Amino acid sequence: DTGVSQNPRHKITKRGQNVTFRCDPISEHNRLYWYRQTLGQGPEFLTYFQNEAQLEKSRLLSDRFSAERPKGSFSTLEIQRTEQGDSAMYLCAVTTDTSNGYTFGSGTRLTVV
Amino acid sequence: SQQGEEDPQALSIQEGENATMNCSYKTSINNLQWYRQNSGRGLVHLILIRSNEREKHSGRLRVTLDTSKKSSSLLITASRAADTASYFCATDRYNTDKLIFGTGTRLQVFP
Repeated sequence: DTGVSQNPRHKITKRGQNVTFRCDPISEHNRLYWYRQTLGQGPEFLTYFQNEAQLEKSRLLSDRFSAERPKGSFSTLEIQRTEQGDSAMYLCAVTTDTSNGYTFGSGTRLTVV
Repeated sequence: SQQGEEDPQALSIQEGENATMNCSYKTSINNLQWYRQNSGRGLVHLILIRSNEREKHSGRLRVTLDTSKKSSSLLITASRAADTASYFCATDRYNTDKLIFGTGTRLQVFP
């Protein structure tokens, strides 16, 4: 148990379908981050929230991607009209302060066929 | 984009040997952190070193930081098979609120 729960663990979807992932931190953290990781690479920043507010989005986050954190606790990441290039591990991380390090969830592995 | 490059990309050693991984980065940082990732899992925070520190220890881990060379090293002493994982450095730059990760070193420790 990492302190951050991500669901589902695995998702296989057909190209063009929409998918939604969820991140549930066990305890309160004011900052929540989404990263994407492809095979053999380090995590790449997608977006982050300070409480409910989405403060920064990467250029990697096209208009097909949307993230929410409605109550400042859990967060969802939706990908519309999935493409094969979206296949990756999507990681959620939380912290109260970046200088203290992140707590990561186990990730959601997305495969687009 | 990724801030850091790690060297080597892959490392294979026998149990009991020491493992050294290096990380280079491009811009000034507030601190540098190391994470471990077991296959198919999330990342686990190992150790953090601030920009005004040169060396830090935690159990079998020793981290050094040379801000003039924009580089860091992670030493794992007396390695164990359970240390088999990928190791990533991550930098926390000034005036940003996110970590930028390197490309990682894959460590294999043989029993």
